Amino acid sequence: GAVVSQHPSWVICKSGTSVKIECRSLDFQATTMFWYRQFPKQSLMLMATSNEGSKATYEQGVEKDKFLINHASLTLSTLTVTSAHPEDSSFYICSAGQGPYEQYFGPGTRLTVT
Amino acid sequence: QKEVEQNSGPLSVPEGAIASLNCTYSDRGSQSFFWYRQYSGKSPELIMFIYSNGDKEDGRFTAQLNKASQYVSLLIRDSQPSDSATYLCAVKSYGGATNKLIFGTGTLLAVQP
Repeated sequence: GAVVSQHPSWVICKSGTSVKIECRSLDFQATTMFWYRQFPKQSLMLMATSNEGSKATYEQGVEKDKFLINHASLTLSTLTVTSAHPEDSSFYICSAGQGPYEQYFGPGTRLTVT
Repeated sequence: QKEVEQNSGPLSVPEGAIASLNCTYSDRGSQSFFWYRQYSGKSPELIMFIYSNGDKEDGRFTAQLNKASQYVSLLIRDSQPSDSATYLCAVKSYGGATNKLIFGTGTLLAVQP
């Protein structure tokens, strides 16, 4: 299967600071990448869909000014959590599509805001 | 009504038995269906997808789709303790600007040695 990487795998930051998470498709080009958030014992919640070269499409209830998404190339998308607060602590996972069916997930980034 | 529904479990089966995981969905326009496995603290990994009515087999896994009943299932034969994980059902509808996956809440499977 296709490989998607994320960096960092975990990060601890202080309240009020910003954190950038990178998502890369390593062996294929992804015109679309997706960003999810998962709280403990809950399912994945789609935050936004990122298309290369255009603005991201955010799901209802997700603040676009707080969660900045950039999809600069066919292999890289970034999510920046701005002015992070403890309630933003979560497991952030990206995924990238290969073909019309498969969607492969990165290993996730665990964010802890203190 | 939730778009994708799964029994949260836990579903407990003995080692070597068949585990049957079920999922229903509400959008009749859904066109492809996915099963992911997620170990605790890890991201989901794709097990298989299905888009035609009937069965699709891949090793110990069989996905079954019944679009008329809006029902998709995953059978795991010869269950192993290493299969213990949360199994997520996901549905994709096509159209519009994006093709996004809608996930169920997952079923926790526990395979007892």
